[in-house]
Amino acid sequence: DTGVSQNPRHKITKRGQNVTFRCDPISEHNRLYWYRQTLGQGPEFLTYFQNEAQLEKSRLLSDRFSAERPKGSFSTLEIQRTEQGDSAMYLCASSQFFGRGYTFGSGTRLTVV
Amino acid sequence: GENVEQHPSTLSVQEGDSAVIKCTYSDSASNYFPWYKQELGKRPQLIIDIRSNVGEKKDQRIAVTLNKTAKHFSLHITETQPEDSAVYFCAASSDGQNFVFGPGTRLSVLP
Repeated sequence: DTGVSQNPRHKITKRGQNVTFRCDPISEHNRLYWYRQTLGQGPEFLTYFQNEAQLEKSRLLSDRFSAERPKGSFSTLEIQRTEQGDSAMYLCASSQFFGRGYTFGSGTRLTVV
Repeated sequence: GENVEQHPSTLSVQEGDSAVIKCTYSDSASNYFPWYKQELGKRPQLIIDIRSNVGEKKDQRIAVTLNKTAKHFSLHITETQPEDSAVYFCAASSDGQNFVFGPGTRLSVLP
């Protein structure tokens, strides 16, 4: 396990469909984060887990978005009834220690058509 | 909440020259400031970070300075090389949990 792994790398879906992304963090990292990045912008925070507990959710995370980390290891991010505005790169990151920089995954690029 | 601004949005320098990117933040409680480099189509990668109890930190050609009173911090790259070309993001955090990122600076190093 040499990094944060995200699947799939790319996802094209029709508007109104549901999609689910998976993130496998670095194994010893107990903190896991989801960010969204649109073209030409910095990553925007979505939500954060410490172990299996979801400790913080951004206002960006509408009720169509849900994230889970059931066993404190991998996490899933589901988007229901996708909209074109959901098209973005969804980045997962993990960290081990408080106050340290993240290690990002390669992201899942979502395109809603 | 925290707001991070970053300038300039684009920066072109000749190879060998220095590049400076500046960020300001709004939340005086912020105490951790990482910088990320993102190459086209790749993940953001941490290149350097600084904590609020430190005014400057260096790592080879890269340095970061922090002015807590003015609430701004800067990235300095010396002797730039073509492989330094990328988008650079600053970020601020008050608890190490949730980072607020700046909008990014696209650096182009011209040969």
